[in-house]
This record gives sequence, C-alpha cells and structure tokens, in this order.
Amino acid sequence: DGGITQSPKYLFRKEGQNVTLSCEQNLNHDAMYWYRQDPGQGLRLIYYSQIVNDFQKGDIAEGYSVSREKKESFPLTVTSAQKNPTAFYLCASSTPLGRYTFGSGTRLTVV
Amino acid sequence: GQQVMQIPQYQHVQEGEDFTTYCNSSTTLSNIQWYKQRPGGHPVFLIQLVKSGEVKKQKRLTFQFGEAKKNSSLHITATQTTDVGTYFCAGGNAGNMLTFGGGTRLMVKP
Repeated sequence: DGGITQSPKYLFRKEGQNVTLSCEQNLNHDAMYWYRQDPGQGLRLIYYSQIVNDFQKGDIAEGYSVSREKKESFPLTVTSAQKNPTAFYLCASSTPLGRYTFGSGTRLTVV
Repeated sequence: GQQVMQIPQYQHVQEGEDFTTYCNSSTTLSNIQWYKQRPGGHPVFLIQLVKSGEVKKQKRLTFQFGEAKKNSSLHITATQTTDVGTYFCAGGNAGNMLTFGGGTRLMVKP
C-alpha cells in the first residue's frame, strides 16, 4: 500500500540539541510539506518542496531546516534555534491536483 | 496572502443533532477540500469540490462550494460519536498548494 511514513512517533529533545524527523513516501508524489500543529490549533506550514533538490520556506521556517535529495524523502531538522519546539509535526505529500496525504505524525517534546 | 477562515472553532452537540462548519476564503479558490482529524490522529482527506455551487454527499455528510468559489460548508446530519474530531477546510489555488482553515473541533455527547 502506498503512503507516508513518519518516524519516530515520539521524540524527546534536550535543550540545545538538534533533532531530525524522518518522512518517507512511496506515492510517487513530487510535492511534500511539513506542518506544525500545537494542541487544539490548526496546521502551520514550515517548509514545502515541489520537486527534488528544491524547497521553499513556509510561514514559520525559523529554527527549522529541510533537505530534498530524493523524491521519496523530506527530512525536517529542528535546530536549537527553535525556542519552542514542543509540538506535533505532520508531513504530507500531494498529487498534482492538490489532494494531500498526511503521515501519522511525530510528537516532539523538549525535556 | 490568501487566508481561509473557519467557524465555529468549537462545537458541542448532543448525539443525533446536526452540525455545520463554515469556511470562507479571502480570495477565489480553484477548489476546496475537507479533511478530518480524529483525536490523536492525523488529517485524512474527505472530499474535494471544484465547481461553483457544487454539492456532494457522503452518507450523513453534505459538502457545498459557494457560487463565488470563496466559501464552503460541511453539514453532518444526526451526529454520532464516531464523528468526533476536528474538521479542516483547505482552499486551493493554481498549483497544488493548499491553505488550511483553523479547523472546527466537534465534540459529541452520547
């Protein structure tokens, strides 16, 4: 079955530490996205990539970085510059008509 | 930039009552999509509307796209406890980028 796999499901980060969240898709989608969701809130766009080797900042890119070296993979690094990283992180990919498929998410907690 | 507003933010209903959430865009949309996120889960695609004035039904769910393609609604008839979750609308323009509304959280009392 095609889909998006995010790992890990839960992640704990110490103050000042960089962590990388994995996102892999086998849907053959060109476009991929990273969203942040805080409790009881909506989805805020962090970064997106429309094609391999290219990506753009979203609304809240500060403190985050991404890469898109392969079509299937779009990892997100939460850097120490992100002062409030505790949140639920969702990766998505989309068809050319814009229908999104989301991964099951990673819950990041700062300890 | 484009903004998509969704109301209400929260809605408590008694099981069996109807529920409606509304979505308004600051710009004309090429399409509107609806997603459902169960508590603790991830958003799941429900439907896409493309045509002006379009109405689509999925069992007890009725989706509408406004004539001006700037607003949409989701109506659930006779809610059930399985309808609990947050419903997001998402507006699309040229290309495949979506702008998500803030979501409506539906709580159903049995």
